[in-house]
Amino acid sequence: NAGVTQTPKFRVLKTGQSMTLLCAQDMNHEYMYWYRQDPGMGLRLIHYSVGEGTTAKGEVPDGYNVSRLKKQNFLLGLESAAPSQTSVYFCASSYWQTYGYTFGSGTRLTVV
Amino acid sequence: GQQLNQSPQSMFIQEGEDVSMNCTSSSIFNTWLWYKQDPGEGPVLLIALYKAGELTSNGRLTAQFGITRKDSFLNISASIPSDVGIYFCAGLLSGGGADGLTFGKGTHLIIQP
Repeated sequence: NAGVTQTPKFRVLKTGQSMTLLCAQDMNHEYMYWYRQDPGMGLRLIHYSVGEGTTAKGEVPDGYNVSRLKKQNFLLGLESAAPSQTSVYFCASSYWQTYGYTFGSGTRLTVV
Repeated sequence: GQQLNQSPQSMFIQEGEDVSMNCTSSSIFNTWLWYKQDPGEGPVLLIALYKAGELTSNGRLTAQFGITRKDSFLNISASIPSDVGIYFCAGLLSGGGADGLTFGKGTHLIIQP
C-alpha cells in the first residue's frame, strides 16, 4: 500500500545538468501533479496531467518538462538545471480533481 | 494564479492551548481542504469540506466551510507536541479547471512545552 512514491529523495546537480524525477502511484488515480515548495511561497503547481498521455502547464512551468506515458507514472524533467530550481518537489495524485490529493514525501533538489 | 490568504503565517503557542487559523479569498470555492505537513514529509489531508456552512471534525480538529464560500477555518483544541508542522488550506474554485486546487502559503505551528 505504497500510495505515491517519489525518487530520488535527495539530489545535488551542477548548473546545466539534466535530471528526471519519477513519481509513481498505485491507486489508479487519473490526475497527477508536480509542485515545488519554496520558503514563504507555499506550493506552486508546475505541470499536471488529467490522464495517461496528457500533460498541461501549471503556474510555474518554465524550465521543466513532463511526461505521462503510463497512468501510474508522472515524470518531471529538468533539461538544464539552474540555481533557481533549487527547491523541494512534490508529486500528488487524485482520483478526481475535487477529491483530496495524496502527496509523495518529496525530492529535495539543490542546484549549485 | 488565484490567491488564498492564509493567516496567521506562524503561531507560537503553549502546549494545551487552542489554535485557530483561516483562509480567505475574493473568489468562490466549491471545495475546501486542510492539510498538515510534518518536517521532511509531504502534506497529508486532514479534513475535506464540500458544502457551504459545513462543519466537520477529525479528533481535536474542526474545520468549517464559510457561508460565503470565500473562506474556511481550522481549529485545533488542546494542542499537543505532535501538532507541530505546517498547515495548508486548499480550495477548488467554482468553475475551476483541471489544474485543481489552489493552496494557501501555510501556517507554521510551533508549540512550546
